[in-house]
Amino acid sequence: AAGVIQSPRHLIKEKRETATLKCYPIPRHDTVYWYQQGPGQDPQFLISFYEKMQSDKGSIPDRFSAQQFSDYHSELNMSSLELGDSALYFCASSLGGLAGGHNEQFFGPGTRLTVL
Amino acid sequence: DAKTTQPNSMESNEEEPVHLPCNHSTISGTDYIHWYRQLPSQGPEYVIHGLTSNVNNRMASLAIAEDRKSSTLILHRATLRDAAVYYCILWRGAQKLVFGQGTRLTINP
Repeated sequence: AAGVIQSPRHLIKEKRETATLKCYPIPRHDTVYWYQQGPGQDPQFLISFYEKMQSDKGSIPDRFSAQQFSDYHSELNMSSLELGDSALYFCASSLGGLAGGHNEQFFGPGTRLTVL
Repeated sequence: DAKTTQPNSMESNEEEPVHLPCNHSTISGTDYIHWYRQLPSQGPEYVIHGLTSNVNNRMASLAIAEDRKSSTLILHRATLRDAAVYYCILWRGAQKLVFGQGTRLTINP
């Protein structure tokens, strides 16, 4: 079965550079989530989109922005990168609306971002 | 977000049952109890969820206390592939998952 696809899988950037992470949800899933997992830490929610509209926002820095496109794929744009942005970035997708209280989220393999 | 408490780590032997506890004393009536796990170098994956009644699926069973202040994830016959961090999460209808500390499960051969 098709899974969530994330690209690139690995990314190395210098401080103050920009990075774009892409996420392709499972076909027919209309909701996308982004999570950040620092070294030795638990995943932290960043932002989510439902039907191309931002639906929830967590502790996402102002330097980061994201959007969901008409084909439901999503991109996380990160500017002025800092050393502390080095982390695994997971995208997840689900089929559900704003009342999805028990919708299963399917996670991608993650993008490992290293900022030097 | 309502808080869950799990042991930092647990250890078990292959082919034995494993009971992973979770306390959620501040759970509200509309909170679903979800369990996800994260295998090494992978994204989290859904395991099971429930509201009030015990639940079974192909991966595990979820036993929910009558007062809903605690729950237990049961792996009936652990394998080495079950070694992971297991997260107990209360989901109140907001879309995001709020991951707490989780339990790191080690399976001995």
